[in-house]
Amino acid sequence: GAGVSQSPRYKVAKRGQDVALRCDPISGHVSLFWYQQALGQGPEFLTYFQNEAQLDKSGLPSDRFFAERPEGSVSTLKIQRTQQEDSAVYLCASSFHRSGIGSTGELFFGEGSRLTVL
Amino acid sequence: KNQVEQSPQSLIILEGKNCTLQCNYTVSPFSNLRWYKQDTGRGPVSLTIMTFSENTKSNGRYTATLDADTKQSSLHITASQLSDSASYICVVSVFRRDNYGQNFVFGPGTRLSVLP
Repeated sequence: GAGVSQSPRYKVAKRGQDVALRCDPISGHVSLFWYQQALGQGPEFLTYFQNEAQLDKSGLPSDRFFAERPEGSVSTLKIQRTQQEDSAVYLCASSFHRSGIGSTGELFFGEGSRLTVL
Repeated sequence: KNQVEQSPQSLIILEGKNCTLQCNYTVSPFSNLRWYKQDTGRGPVSLTIMTFSENTKSNGRYTATLDADTKQSSLHITASQLSDSASYICVVSVFRRDNYGQNFVFGPGTRLSVLP
């Protein structure tokens, strides 16, 4: 597609429900990032994929958060047993480059998925 | 700890006026610095990217500066327009120690409102 696509754009979940957020990166992009953005704050890193390999998941706040990118393209962020503090916008970004040393590869962001946990 | 700070937190200006947003960072090892514009309810969009050796870069009415010695950057907006109303986020790229490339450290953003 022309850009990074995320779905759903809005999700309301009851506390304790599981949710799955999808990211379709730009075709051919190697690197894929997930970020969590609280209201009025900058995005916070969650996890990073290079193709299908999850190279960094140090930003995932708990073991209730799980991300995958099994074929190196579409990625899914899953949140189990959602809590109210999980309410945020979840942004996905992709880059053609491997985010290697010296790379100034452009990062392209999706519109985000706004999760509200009641 | 790698940190990016921005000031002011919010800013209101009249259409046609200029403004300057500030970014201070304490990150190491530095790779590059980016400014993004984020409209309400949208994803961030890149304005400029500067490496260590660059001290200024322009993109239309947006001009970014970088002082790598003092670890400061600024984004100057000239002749503001109503459509400039958005959050402006400073992002510093840091080399990863595990050689898997870079991490991106985001500032909290400056919320700019341009009034008619």
